[in-house]
Amino acid sequence: DVKVTQSSRYLVKRTGEKVFLECVQDMDHENMFWYRQDPGLGLRLIYFSYDVKMKEKGDIPEGYSVSREKKERFSLILESASTNQTSMYLCASSSGPAGGQHTQYFGPGTRLTVL
Amino acid sequence: GQNIDQPTEMTATEGAIVQINCTYQTSGFNGLFWYQQHAGEAPTFLSYNVLDGLEEKGRFSSFLSRSKGYSYLLLKELQMKDSASYLCLAMDSNYQLIWGAGTKLIIKP
Repeated sequence: DVKVTQSSRYLVKRTGEKVFLECVQDMDHENMFWYRQDPGLGLRLIYFSYDVKMKEKGDIPEGYSVSREKKERFSLILESASTNQTSMYLCASSSGPAGGQHTQYFGPGTRLTVL
Repeated sequence: GQNIDQPTEMTATEGAIVQINCTYQTSGFNGLFWYQQHAGEAPTFLSYNVLDGLEEKGRFSSFLSRSKGYSYLLLKELQMKDSASYLCLAMDSNYQLIWGAGTKLIIKP
């Protein structure tokens, strides 16, 4: 079974803090994704990576950065958290050609609250 | 632009059948996925269609018409545990992902 884990289920931070969200997958997948999910808006892609040290902007990259130093780990960084970044953050991984995908497997999500 | 439309919410009765529709507009096409998401949990994969027709998997079936830009998810013999959001996802020719906002399915006894 594919397993995608995220470092925290719930996180509370203050405005201006630097926030790290980590995601690890154990199936040697090439592709990893970070989404945020807000009520009524569905899943929105922040960044994705199709290889180590490679990253591509998604639909809403502003205010975020990512790091992929190892194949199994994909980190999302909020350099200076703001209240409008309060959301559910979902990490996913998949195999397939660069940028392409087969089935995505999701982590349990991190519910981030920025006060 | 690229977009996906699906109903926001549907209600059905336990034991019945429900069809959740999804229409999409993409630049080229590389397949359509359906995911299930229970409240507070991560989405889980249900089905993938890239060719026209019906794919059946137990109580769930998914249909695709590429010429019409249309798909549906059919759930039979509804159970209370089927109460969830159902997400439609299309992939364009550049493997870009376009997510629908999801359909919240409410099952009543």
